[in-house]
Amino acid sequence: EAEVAQSPRYKITEKSQAVAFWCDPISGHATLYWYRQILGQGPELLVQFQDESVVDDSQLPKDRFSAERLKGVDSTLKIQPAELGDSAMYLCASKPPGDFDGYTFGSGTRLTVV
Amino acid sequence: DQQVKQNSPSLSVQEGRISILNCDYTNSMFDYFLWYKKYPAEGPTFLISISSIKDKNEDGRFTVFLNKSAKHLSLHIVPSQPGDSAVYFCAASWGGSQGNLIFGKGTKLSVKP
Repeated sequence: EAEVAQSPRYKITEKSQAVAFWCDPISGHATLYWYRQILGQGPELLVQFQDESVVDDSQLPKDRFSAERLKGVDSTLKIQPAELGDSAMYLCASKPPGDFDGYTFGSGTRLTVV
Repeated sequence: DQQVKQNSPSLSVQEGRISILNCDYTNSMFDYFLWYKKYPAEGPTFLISISSIKDKNEDGRFTVFLNKSAKHLSLHIVPSQPGDSAVYFCAASWGGSQGNLIFGKGTKLSVKP
């Protein structure tokens, strides 16, 4: 069964350091999303890509967060500098054209900022 | 301002009984609704969905009901099994397949043997 791959699974970093997460969507899924899930909350969209283009980054804290999907396939989300409040699960999801039921999440990266 | 609300943080049900998870929304533009199930340390997995043109969708033990006038949907699980114990997220979307999903905060379901 096709999966959305994310790495690393867990990351502990000190505040003010840089951290990066990687996502490889399901082959053929042009739409890719990064979500942040704080414990006890639902996932919140950070950025949405259609192929290599950003469709929606209105909720991305652009002073410290950046995201790219240079070749329209895999994607990287970066935080620099990390803050204590960034501790959360970072989820990547991808979706085939025209099919919300095919919206598939990866296992996520659990970030702890100390 | 939360557009998708799951007001019950947790629910405990006996095995074999019905589990009913509720979700309310405020945005009348939402036209597609989904339920996701999430185990600890895993990403959410798709469970069942419903379009705003329907009021019911059924898939095995899972049924989703939509009441558009009340802006309310519910997920029924019958019969409930211990393996159903997880966090359930309600999600909504509008603007067709190019949109993204707005999630509720989730309800933790515990099914006791």
